[in-house]
Formats: sequence, C-alpha cells, structure tokens
Amino acid sequence: NAGVTQTPKFRILKIGQSMTLQCTQDMNHNYMYWYRQDPGMGLKLIYYSVGAGITDKGEVPNGYNVSRSTTEDFPLRLELAAPSQTSVYFCASSYGQFSGNTIYFGEGSWLTVV
Amino acid sequence: AQKITQTQPGMFVQEKEAVTLDCTYDTSDPSYGLFWYKQPSSGEMIFLIYQGSYDQQNATEGRYSLNFQKARKSANLVISASQLGDSAMYFCATEDGGTSYGKLTFGQGTILTVHP
Repeated sequence: NAGVTQTPKFRILKIGQSMTLQCTQDMNHNYMYWYRQDPGMGLKLIYYSVGAGITDKGEVPNGYNVSRSTTEDFPLRLELAAPSQTSVYFCASSYGQFSGNTIYFGEGSWLTVV
Repeated sequence: AQKITQTQPGMFVQEKEAVTLDCTYDTSDPSYGLFWYKQPSSGEMIFLIYQGSYDQQNATEGRYSLNFQKARKSANLVISASQLGDSAMYFCATEDGGTSYGKLTFGQGTILTVHP
C-alpha cells in the first residue's frame, strides 16, 4: 500500500531557482494538503485542495503555487526559491469528511535553499 | 484562527513510568477534532490518537490516552509505561469542523526523552 508518496525526499536549491515537489496518493481521497515544518516548529498549512480543479490558500502560501488536475496528484511549485523556504515539506490527504484518524501524511521532503 | 499551546518544550521520563504531555487549544467552533502525532528523529508524522469534540469518553489507543477536558479546552496526551522508543517530538493539533476537513493547526511540539 503506497498511501501518500512525495518526491524528491531531499533537494538543495540555489536562490532564485524553481522546482516542483510531487505528491501522489492512491486512496482516492478528495482532500489534499501541503504543509511546511520549520526547524523545531509545528507544521503550517501552505495550500490545500478539496478536489480536482479546486485549490485554496492556507496559512503560509506566499512563494508557492499548486495545481490539482487529477484526484491523485497535488504538486507544489516553488518559484524563485529563497532561504526562508528552507524547510521540510509534508503532503497529506484525507477523505474530506470530519477526518478523525483518516489524515495520511507522506514521509516528507527536505528542502535546503542556499 | 485556531491556536494550540504546548507549554512543555521538553519532558523527561523514566522508562516504564507514565508521562503527560500538555495541550490547550482555542477555538470558537462547536465542532472540532483533536489529534496527537509523534515525530521521531527520522521525521515522519505518526498518528497516535484522535478525539472528537462531541465524544463523551476520552479516547484511548493502546498505551496512549487523551485526557479531554472540554470546558478547559485541554487535550493532554498520557503515555503509560513509557518505552525507549517513545523518545520523539509530540505534536498536538486541531481540526475545525465545517469545511476545514483535514486542515490542521499544530502546536509547537514537546520533545519527550525516555531514560532507561
């Protein structure tokens, strides 16, 4: 069972470069999310999606873009990378009802911007 | 906006003893969920326990129990019979009801160290 799969797991970017973090889930979940976790802190929501074609901003969306063309995939785009975007990024998915224990996280993507 | 407070940056416990990790939250939504996650040094987020705001009984999952005091807006995690493998960062999180499914607000975490 794959669950939520994120790639790449580790990446070093230079300031000003762009990249896309990939996220795919095989559970047919409607809801998907991107969180970031800065060192020693809790996770903060960047963007989320309630279904294909629908996305919305979370708490910290600046510097990021998302798209949701299919139920399975929810890529996160970093444009013009900045050192402040050095963080661990987590993708997650859920059924989209009051979630209980049905929020599934990927293993995280460690991004360093130098 | 939601606010989650974990007042204990670090906690120490002896192996086989019980430990309580504190969490208070601030929400105006009558319907919400409370979560605890464990994050070991490898970095993944491991779900531990969930409590719905309308659940009458405190949630339990094996050695984990959630001490839910709704009036005090408190959702403390109790780990019984601590094991060395429990050493990790622990996060409390809330999920509002309504259209906020899966949109979690996290506390800053508590680092738990279990001593042999």
